[in-house]
Amino acid sequence: QSVLTQPPSVSGAPGQRVTISCTGSSSNIGAGYDVYWYQHLPGTAPKLLISRNSNRPSGVPDRFSGSKSGTSASLAITGLQAEDEAAYHCQSYDSILSAVVFGGGTKLTVL
Amino acid sequence: DVQLLESGGGLVQPGGSLTLSCAASGFNFSSYAMSWVRQAPGKGLEWVSSISGSAIYTYYADSVKGRFTISRDNSKNTLSVQMNSLRGEDTAVYYCAKNPNRGVQLWSPFDYWGQGILVTVSS
Repeated sequence: QSVLTQPPSVSGAPGQRVTISCTGSSSNIGAGYDVYWYQHLPGTAPKLLISRNSNRPSGVPDRFSGSKSGTSASLAITGLQAEDEAAYHCQSYDSILSAVVFGGGTKLTVL
Repeated sequence: DVQLLESGGGLVQPGGSLTLSCAASGFNFSSYAMSWVRQAPGKGLEWVSSISGSAIYTYYADSVKGRFTISRDNSKNTLSVQMNSLRGEDTAVYYCAKNPNRGVQLWSPFDYWGQGILVTVSS
């Protein structure tokens, strides 16, 4: 079981908006540790999509946005495109485990 | 461009050993901490280990502590992990990942990743 909880799958039609949640606890997200999001297409290297909760690295389209509140974080994707079909993973740090922690990953399907 | 290329994966029997390597290029290797992250079939990502740019400091997930040893050769821009006493649950794709700082900050992201290498532990 992953320390951070994500829905196994989400889907949306092209052009629509989808959100992916990442739920943690008081020892990780709720303790103020930053959340990071990665996009991962099969057979490729995962890509850092959102840094420090809501910051987009250079080259990441502004269709991707991140937010954090309390013990949870969310990734929103607007204007869905077929190329967005991938797995999305959230990451943070847990102070009790003294370890990097990830969510279980969410598979986005573009209908 | 940053490039990370893993090698050394394959099939190994339970209890066996394997060493993975990661060849890095496109950045000043010794200036950045490096890590290994794995993904078991059908599961999420799992952090395995991290090492500082100087190689002085190392960190391990509890699941591999005492069995895996991370190391780096800054003269060859190479990251390695020696995996001993391998178990079925170590079966995964192993990714080499770059950290954005010289020191290991486990609350920081992995800003670049390799494409991964498969390790299968089975008899």
